Amino acid sequence: ETGVTQTPRHLVMGMTNKKSLKCEQHLGHNAMYWYKQSAKKPLELMFVYNFKEQTENNSVPSRFSPECPNSSHLFLHLHTLQPEDSALYLCASSYRTGGNTGELFFGEGSRLTVL
Amino acid sequence: KNEVEQSPQNLTAQEGEFITINCSYSVGISALHWLQQHPGGGIVSLFMLSSGKKKHGRLIATINIQEKHSSLHITASHPRDSAVYICAVGVVGAQKLVFGQGTRLTINP
Repeated sequence: ETGVTQTPRHLVMGMTNKKSLKCEQHLGHNAMYWYKQSAKKPLELMFVYNFKEQTENNSVPSRFSPECPNSSHLFLHLHTLQPEDSALYLCASSYRTGGNTGELFFGEGSRLTVL
Repeated sequence: KNEVEQSPQNLTAQEGEFITINCSYSVGISALHWLQQHPGGGIVSLFMLSSGKKKHGRLIATINIQEKHSSLHITASHPRDSAVYICAVGVVGAQKLVFGQGTRLTINP
């Protein structure tokens, strides 16, 4: 138990579906992140939120839409995805100070399959 | 060339062996992280360090800032240590982490 909870753990969707991934942390952290992990590739940062404000969008296609209603919750809304978007999506949180990310706490990940 | 390079990419050893995983980076960093990912996918932070050496149980992490190099050591390795070990660096001025490709470690009984 890392204090970061992701749901669902597994998701299968068609290219025309709309679904959402959810992440929740109760560690008192001020930053939350979405990462994508594809097979045989390093973790890729997608989005960063500091105190609910998006501070980084790493050139992510608009079919991925993040939402951060408060500092404890983070969503990733998915629509009209492509099969190549199939991957493990990991949420993380940390306490950022100055220019330092701080220690990251990860969720268990949501494994997404796009048919 | 990636900003963070790990070696080896794959490592298989027998239970009890001393394990070393290396990480080299080419950018200025604020901190270096070692992470562990088990087959289920979840990632756990093992160490965050910016100088010297840290120890936690059978795990030891060292960093040499001048040489831009870090090592993760596992003493008395055990099959439950089998996982992917990931090195990541916090890049100065970028406020984000850059990840290595990971080292897949398998410890056989």
